[in-house]
Amino acid sequence: SQQGEEDPQALSIQEGENATMNCSYKTSINNLQWYRQNSGRGLVHLILIRSNEREKHSGRLRVTLDTSKKSSSLLITASRAADTASYFCARAGGTSYGKLTFGQGTILTVHP
Amino acid sequence: DTGVSQDPRHKITKRGQNVTFRCDPISEHNRLYWYRQTLGQGPEFLTYFQNEAQLEKSRLLSDRFSAERPKGSFSTLEIQRTEQGDSAMYLCASSLGSRGENQPQHFGDGTRLSIL
Repeated sequence: SQQGEEDPQALSIQEGENATMNCSYKTSINNLQWYRQNSGRGLVHLILIRSNEREKHSGRLRVTLDTSKKSSSLLITASRAADTASYFCARAGGTSYGKLTFGQGTILTVHP
Repeated sequence: DTGVSQDPRHKITKRGQNVTFRCDPISEHNRLYWYRQTLGQGPEFLTYFQNEAQLEKSRLLSDRFSAERPKGSFSTLEIQRTEQGDSAMYLCASSLGSRGENQPQHFGDGTRLSIL
């Protein structure tokens, strides 16, 4: 079963707008990772944020982490039609240094 | 292309048949992972290897499932006596492994299995 929840399940915006996706988890983490998946393809790693970090940036992406609330958010600024995809957060941690535990994902649609 | 490759991309088989999937990781990666993804869900962890050693297996991995990585390079995932519920996308990923931290994983495009 999935270990986290993502909110919203689906998000539809216009090109140029910002998109914010949220992720909650239940147990401790070593780090939290965000991935993107285009339809019918594998996942692409976007950002890794460690448990002792609060914010990370990569291009138009900004990830925040609040370990006290067990939550993270992914912000995509100035979205483009090419950002249309499913976005997943994945918890890495506990006693396992191998597996990732994924949420159900947010389906983002950016309209040109 | 030096990414993770999976073969075949699609597999259609009848219930009860055995199937085998292959994954070739990025060459310098010592860790290899298998996940299963059903429609509308995130990937679910099945198992992972560090070099040739299988270090962790999910309870999802029933005795009909077996994975190998004999020489620490490519891996195979076999499903015996397939059932309708095995229909899913099977994803392989690889990463560098270091004790104490989960590294970003690089995914292949998956093998889509359909059971008739």
